[in-house]
Amino acid sequence: ETGVTQTPRHLVMGMTNKKSLKCEQHLGHNAMYWYKQSAKKPLELMFVYSLEERVENNSVPSRFSPECPNSSHLFLHLHTLQPEDSALYLCASSQGTTSGSGDTQYFGPGTRLTVL
Amino acid sequence: AQKVTQAQTEISVVEKEDVTLDCVYETRDTTYYLFWYKQPPSGELVFLIRRNSFDEQNEISGRYSWNFQKSTSSFNFTITASQVVDSAVYFCALSEGGSGGSNYKLTFGKGTLLTVNP
Repeated sequence: ETGVTQTPRHLVMGMTNKKSLKCEQHLGHNAMYWYKQSAKKPLELMFVYSLEERVENNSVPSRFSPECPNSSHLFLHLHTLQPEDSALYLCASSQGTTSGSGDTQYFGPGTRLTVL
Repeated sequence: AQKVTQAQTEISVVEKEDVTLDCVYETRDTTYYLFWYKQPPSGELVFLIRRNSFDEQNEISGRYSWNFQKSTSSFNFTITASQVVDSAVYFCALSEGGSGGSNYKLTFGKGTLLTVNP
């Protein structure tokens, strides 16, 4: 199943680097999401885009900057990260109904990020 | 506020055993949706099932079955005749219906690590 793809799959970066995570969905969906999954913690929703507009931003530090140029692509730009930002970053997409509630979210394989 | 509790952190079984993963949820909405996802070691969350709050019928899909009970706010997942390939972390999740506004939030439990030994 390659409905949602993410690149790179693994990323190691220093605290002063700038990098970007890419997500692409091939499902014809209108909503896309970024989640952070840290060890021993529940998945944390970071950002939601619906029809390329940001609809949720859950108090995420500004060192994480999302970009959604179209409904099929989603980026997460990273700069001056901290070691505690090391985690699995998951992208998801959903149909994107009017309210969003109840939509099934389909996930990509994630990017394993390590910040040194 | 919505909340999902998966009290079982880890479960270990021997192949061919049946295993039930528990999920208890909290919500004040009358319309809500419940989900189960599987996360194998590769990391990708694989969608298993979606159920809305008005449909209390139990569901069976092959070796998988789900028991939804509104009276106890539970949505438990049973794997019959478990196999080694079932080894993964399983997440239960809840989405509230919203009150006219948008609600894309999917609240996940902390997950249950299932290990099926040969």
